[in-house]
Amino acid sequence: DTGVSQDPRHKITKRGQNVTFRCDPISEHNRLYWYRQTLGQGPEFLTYFQNEAQLEKSRLLSDRFSAERPKGSFSTLEIQRTEQGDSAMYLCASSPRLDNNEQFFGPGTRLTVL
Amino acid sequence: GQQVMQIPQYQHVQEGEDFTTYCNSSTTLSNIQWYKQRPGGHPVFLIQLVKSGEVKKQKRLTFQFGEAKKNSSLHITATQTTDVGTYFCYPWGGARQLTFGSGTQLTVLP
Repeated sequence: DTGVSQDPRHKITKRGQNVTFRCDPISEHNRLYWYRQTLGQGPEFLTYFQNEAQLEKSRLLSDRFSAERPKGSFSTLEIQRTEQGDSAMYLCASSPRLDNNEQFFGPGTRLTVL
Repeated sequence: GQQVMQIPQYQHVQEGEDFTTYCNSSTTLSNIQWYKQRPGGHPVFLIQLVKSGEVKKQKRLTFQFGEAKKNSSLHITATQTTDVGTYFCYPWGGARQLTFGSGTQLTVLP
């Protein structure tokens, strides 16, 4: 499968714990995006990368959230000191380049914070 | 951020009826994309509109971009049960914040 993959698919954690999610974009896609989606809502933008550079980060994003894309390939999203309000589906997407920004989404990581 | 309103929020139609969802922006858009998300699935890209007044068709789906590039619509002719899902518009370009519309959830009754 050459699509976007995310790991893990599900994560249950206790409040206060740290969690890390991984996204592997489609090979050679320069742009990588992270979104958060709760039930009945559209995906909420978190951040995006052009290669290894983080170009934009949502103003709504708490300092507990951090993302990296160290070699311009896979990316990780870390949430520190999780809260119950962090429970959501975390979606990753990639797109080929600026003039073709069709986004290909991964299956998502569903986070449940107890 | 890019303020986009999508209406209606929900739409129930009988199979065979038409369906339209609208996306309205408070600012001029560079381009707009449309995505479909099936229940339990992830968003899937449908189309991108770039030019003022652009109209694109994909079988029973017709996408329009307004002349002022502030609004867009997706029209489905003769809906089928396979059309069930939530349709999102996604304005692109020129905005510091990137955000999907709130979506229109389509239910098709057999």
